[in-house]
Amino acid sequence: DADVTQTPRNRITKTGKRIMLECSQTKGHDRMYWYRQDPGLGLRLIYYSFDVKDINKGEISDGYSVSRQAQAKFSLSLESAIPNQTALYFCATSDYRDPTDTQYFGPGTRLTVL
Amino acid sequence: AQSVSQHNHHVILSEAASLELGCNYSYGGTVNLFWYVQYPGQHLQLLLKYFSGDPLVKGIKGFEAEFIKSKFSFNLRKPSVQWSDTAEYFCAVSSGGYQKVTFGTGTKLQVIP
Repeated sequence: DADVTQTPRNRITKTGKRIMLECSQTKGHDRMYWYRQDPGLGLRLIYYSFDVKDINKGEISDGYSVSRQAQAKFSLSLESAIPNQTALYFCATSDYRDPTDTQYFGPGTRLTVL
Repeated sequence: AQSVSQHNHHVILSEAASLELGCNYSYGGTVNLFWYVQYPGQHLQLLLKYFSGDPLVKGIKGFEAEFIKSKFSFNLRKPSVQWSDTAEYFCAVSSGGYQKVTFGTGTKLQVIP
């Protein structure tokens, strides 16, 4: 969805480096999410935020941190990257007014940790 | 906690064959159910969703899904697949109490011309 953008789209880094992945949205949604996708494991929730002052851990938050700089921006950081964090990372948004919580995804960031 | 199972990990079909992808969820309360599709190299897009009402839901590109509450299932169907349907399909569930979406592990569909 062009309304949800992610930067960078691809990144190769080394073990131990700090990495930040950024997500911006123009949908006006208050809820934002970070997922990682691994082959055979589907999407797993890392962190989510229901508004600027609300940050919550998902099912696999260890080794990650997030920052919600504004309603439209939600960043994911890997403080010290390790190889098993190699994955495809997706940002998503949803609207609190939508009772179904339909998710709208960004294009993804492919991260490789050597 | 809610969970989703997709039993078919990889499905190969010829064009014009019929498709049914299984999805079962576990949650005893009211649920919203989704099918998302991820075309090669692209992000996930909503294919269809069930919120309430008619348990037979029609989505884009000729896909439909049926919510069977007694079986905790939400299987995806298409009567005649096309090569362009080659993609990975994810079933997902959300419940009002959690306000989060749980995804299945995905089913890769390969359609052979």
